[in-house]
Amino acid sequence: AQTVTQSQPEMSVQEAETVTLSCTYDTSESDYYLFWYKQPPSRQMILVIRQEAYKQQNATENRFSVNFQKAAKSFSLKISDSQLGDAAMYFCAYLTSYGKLTFGQGTILTVHP
Amino acid sequence: GAVVSQHPSWVICKSGTSVKIECRSLDFQATTMFWYRQFPKQSLMLMATSNEGSKATYEQGVEKDKFLINHASLTLSTLTVTSAHPEDSSFYICSANSRKETNYGYTFGSGTRLTVV
Repeated sequence: AQTVTQSQPEMSVQEAETVTLSCTYDTSESDYYLFWYKQPPSRQMILVIRQEAYKQQNATENRFSVNFQKAAKSFSLKISDSQLGDAAMYFCAYLTSYGKLTFGQGTILTVHP
Repeated sequence: GAVVSQHPSWVICKSGTSVKIECRSLDFQATTMFWYRQFPKQSLMLMATSNEGSKATYEQGVEKDKFLINHASLTLSTLTVTSAHPEDSSFYICSANSRKETNYGYTFGSGTRLTVV
């Protein structure tokens, strides 16, 4: 079974600075998809970024980018120019071949003004 | 973009009563929906997969008779917590795949906070 591990329960960053959230996963599949979701205090889950495993190029969405290391099974999220609105709980997720999302434990990100 | 509407946002019920939570895909058809449970500051735990026109598939350890799932149409799935007890108090979230291909990601409802007193 696939597992997703986020080893940072909490992280903090100063506004306008850069922060990286870590995620590792375990799988025997070769084709899969990885996601980062954001859950702000409203608790609405919001898709931040998506990465297809067969693509070598790291995904980027505005201030959000990933460092996907397939061999190392690592999928970190970098947030540049952090904003107060980025404060949330972030979840790394793996999409199984059965169509189920497996989530990591989550990382609470605090942004200091 | 794709929208999943979940109601109610919060509900308080007495022990022993049943509560129904609705999850609707507003602008797309969802043959499959997923129900999650989340405790404060914890991850989402998949409870069951809801399939339109067939029985739901429950994850190991989830009581089928307590958490009844019905997916009667392509746009509506319901979760009924039967004979609720205080330990059932939690945040419940539904999600659906808004594209034919599952790799496009999932859209989530806004969640339901259930408090059993």
